[in-house]
Amino acid sequence: GESVGLHLPTLSVQEGDNSIINCAYSNSASDYFIWYKQESGKGPQFIIDIRSNMDKRQGQRVTVLLNKTVKHLSLQIAATQPGDSAVYFCADDFSGGGADGLTFGKGTHLIIQP
Amino acid sequence: GAVVSQHPSWVICKSGTSVKIECRSLDFQATTMFWYRQFPKQSLMLMATSNEGSKATYEQGVEKDKFLINHASLTLSTLTVTSAHPEDSSFYICSARDPAGVQPQHFGDGTRLSIL
Repeated sequence: GESVGLHLPTLSVQEGDNSIINCAYSNSASDYFIWYKQESGKGPQFIIDIRSNMDKRQGQRVTVLLNKTVKHLSLQIAATQPGDSAVYFCADDFSGGGADGLTFGKGTHLIIQP
Repeated sequence: GAVVSQHPSWVICKSGTSVKIECRSLDFQATTMFWYRQFPKQSLMLMATSNEGSKATYEQGVEKDKFLINHASLTLSTLTVTSAHPEDSSFYICSARDPAGVQPQHFGDGTRLSIL
């Protein structure tokens, strides 16, 4: 069945450094992925998304890379700030447009060290 | 931007009582809303899909008679946890589909449910 997972449960980086959070998926038919940030006691916050016809997409301080060959995607956060501390999830939108519920990965807790 | 509001944000109640959680889309119409559950230090798990004017679709393993969903209007879906027990304690999060939005779904800030 469909599964989306993350490699590392916790990632600690120094403030100002870059961070990379990884995610693997199993359904080769998946073609739309989203990264979310979740702060303690809050709902997920949209960061960036990518479709399978792309292998890279950039936002403000964030970049998502998609490797369909090995079914892997990553979220890169540049020049991390204390406010980046949160749990990050990748999610698979199998419908491609929000018509179905999302399948979330396990999550990575990003800790920014001062 | 599009906002989804959940109420209450936190509730504590005795075992055996029923609890209703509301999810509202504040500035857009949502024909489809979703309910997720999140246990501590775990990921979000989809419970059900709520469609306006029709019955909800439940994921495998989710009891429809225990988790009653009503989506009577284009801006409101409710989740009622009936005869709640301590094992139902969790963080319940709703989202609403926004076909015209940049994002596929907008999430509420969740409801922390604690059953004593």
